[in-house]
Amino acid sequence: EAGVAQSPRYKIIEKRQSVAFWCNPISGHATLYWYQQILGQGPKLLIQFQNNGVVDDSQLPKDRFSAERLKGVDSTLKIQPAKLEDSAVYLCASSSILGRGQETQYFGPGTRLLVL
Amino acid sequence: QQPVQSPQAVILREGEDAVINCSSSKALYSVHWYRQKHGEAPVFLMILLKGGEQMRHEKISASFNEKKQQSSLYLTASQLSYSGTYFCGTVYNQGGKLIFGQGTELSVKP
Repeated sequence: EAGVAQSPRYKIIEKRQSVAFWCNPISGHATLYWYQQILGQGPKLLIQFQNNGVVDDSQLPKDRFSAERLKGVDSTLKIQPAKLEDSAVYLCASSSILGRGQETQYFGPGTRLLVL
Repeated sequence: QQPVQSPQAVILREGEDAVINCSSSKALYSVHWYRQKHGEAPVFLMILLKGGEQMRHEKISASFNEKKQQSSLYLTASQLSYSGTYFCGTVYNQGGKLIFGQGTELSVKP
C-alpha cells in the first residue's frame, strides 16, 4: 500500500514570497490533516478535512495560510506571504476514520520550508 | 492543553530499559504514541483508549492511568533502532483533535 505522498521535499523562499505544498493521502482515506512542526517541537494541527469539507481550521493563520481539498483526495496548502516564523516542516497525514479519537494517522515525509 | 512529556531526553545503552511519561491536566479520551527519526515522518506505535488495556508494539508497551491522566511508554531491552524522538498525542473527547507533546529524545548507544 502506497503511503502519504508530499511534494516538494524542500523549499527555500524569501520572506513575503508565496509557496504551495501538495499532499496525496493513502488511497481510500477520507480524512486529511496538515500539521506544522517547528524544530524541536511536536506537530501542531493546522487544518483537518473530511472528504473535501473542513472539520477544524482553528489554528490556521487564515490571513496568510489557505488550504483546499477540492475532489476529496489530494490537497494543497498555500502560504502567502511567507514570514520568517513559517520556517518549519509541513506534514500531511491521513486516516480512514473520521476523528473519533481512535484513528491511526499516517504521516507523509513532510516538506521542509526555510524562509530567508 | 498540550500534554507534558518527561523526561525531555534520555540516553541508554543497548539492552537497558526506559520509561517515558505523558501527563495531562485535563481528562483524556485517548493517547497516541509516535516515534520520529531525524528527518523522517512520525510513525505510529499505538493508541490507548480510556478504559482500555495496556498495549504493546514489539518490545514497547504503554499504559493509561485514568486517575492520574497520564500515559507511560515502556521500552524494554532497548535496541539501536529505538533511537528517535517519541511523541505522545492526546485527544480530550470523542471527535477531538490530536494534540502532541513536545517530544522525548531517546538515544540508544552500543
